[in-house]
Formats: sequence, structure tokens, C-alpha cells
Amino acid sequence: GEDVEQSLFLSVREGDSSVINCTYTDSSSTYLYWYKQEPGAGLQLLTYIFSNMDMKQDQRLTVLLNKKDKHLSLRIADTQTGDSAIYFCAERSPDYGGATNKLIFGTGTLLAIQP
Amino acid sequence: KAGVTQTPRYLIKTRGQQVTLSCSPISGHRSVSWYQQTPGQGLQFLFEYFSETQRNKGNFPGRFSGRQFSNSRSEMNVSTLELGDSALYLCASRPGTGEPLRHEQYFGPGTRLTVT
Repeated sequence: GEDVEQSLFLSVREGDSSVINCTYTDSSSTYLYWYKQEPGAGLQLLTYIFSNMDMKQDQRLTVLLNKKDKHLSLRIADTQTGDSAIYFCAERSPDYGGATNKLIFGTGTLLAIQP
Repeated sequence: KAGVTQTPRYLIKTRGQQVTLSCSPISGHRSVSWYQQTPGQGLQFLFEYFSETQRNKGNFPGRFSGRQFSNSRSEMNVSTLELGDSALYLCASRPGTGEPLRHEQYFGPGTRLTVT
């Protein structure tokens, strides 16, 4: 079935690292994504990782992928108050051999920053 | 480049009415998708279009329909509105060409639909 799971809430202190975890279901997914949603806004694409990679780093963001366990994580270094948002992981659906826009989203993790 | 634009941003409708939402993709993007976001169900895929053709459809009743025009702009329509249709409707675009390298989807700000 299609089920991407995330913990609902994470609280970190400003300046610490945040690690948001995600478990996805379909081992044939080619791309996995992280999106950020601020209140009243749409989704902002943060980063993505291709399924043949283990890690991807992009400035303060590090994505780790464990295909065996179907586990994806997003690490945000030096977390700032502007990082407060809901973070969604998403897998690209394998429908039509992966040639589809359809994304299967997780439930979202609310990241709260303590000053 | 301008991002994905959606109109209107907010809408209030009554049960039984119908509604049309509009999405203009990023210039040069030919592929458009629609998603529904609700507190209970989260983000769910509605449908996607490429070159005016529907390529994939999510598990929504036939009251939900869409189309894409030759300039890649897209509309979605919901007929006979129900209270449960209250949601944020998000549109996303991607180039749709140069597969598989150009896979990233960019979302608009959404249309907040409230059904009373």
C-alpha cells in the first residue's frame, strides 16, 4: 500500500541540528523529496535524493537514504527560527514505471524551534 | 521566472455549488498536477496533465475533474460541493521534458476552499 510515515512533532533549540525521519513503502521509488510548508503557504521544494544514492548534502541540509530499511532522513544543521515549519517527505509513485508526477506524501513533521 | 500562480487564493462556497480553480505553471513547464490538502487526509494526489492530456488520476470521485489548455494553464472543477471538500488545493508544475532529469515539481501557494 501507499503509506509514508513521519513523526508528528520535533522540538529543537536554536543552533542545534534537527533530524526529521521518514519511512516510505515502495522500494521501487526512484526519487524521494523533502518539502517545507510555512503557515498559509504552499510547498517549497528543499531537496531530493535519487534512489541510487546514500547521501546528499546541500548547504545546511543533509539527506540520508537507507534503501534496505526504506528510511529517509533530513538533517538541518544550525537550526534557525526561520526553519520553523512543517516538513514533508514524499516518494515519487512507481505508477506508469515512474513516469508520473504523482507524489505520495508523508503526514508531515512540525518543527518547533526553542530560542 | 515567476513561480506557479493559483487563483483565487481564497474561496467560500455553499454545499451543492460548483467551483473552478485555476493554475498557471512556471513559464516553459508543460506538466501540471493537482493535490488536495486536508488536516485529516493530508496531501493527496488528484490528477496530472501533460500537453492537455490527463496522465494519471488519484482516488477521488467523479465530481473532481480537470483540464489543461494549450498554453499549459490548468483548471480543476469540483461539482456538487460537499463540506468535506473544504481544503487547500495545491497545483504543481514541472518541465515534463528531458526526462528523467527534470523531475522536480514546484508548488503554487494554493487555493483555500471553504464549503459551508
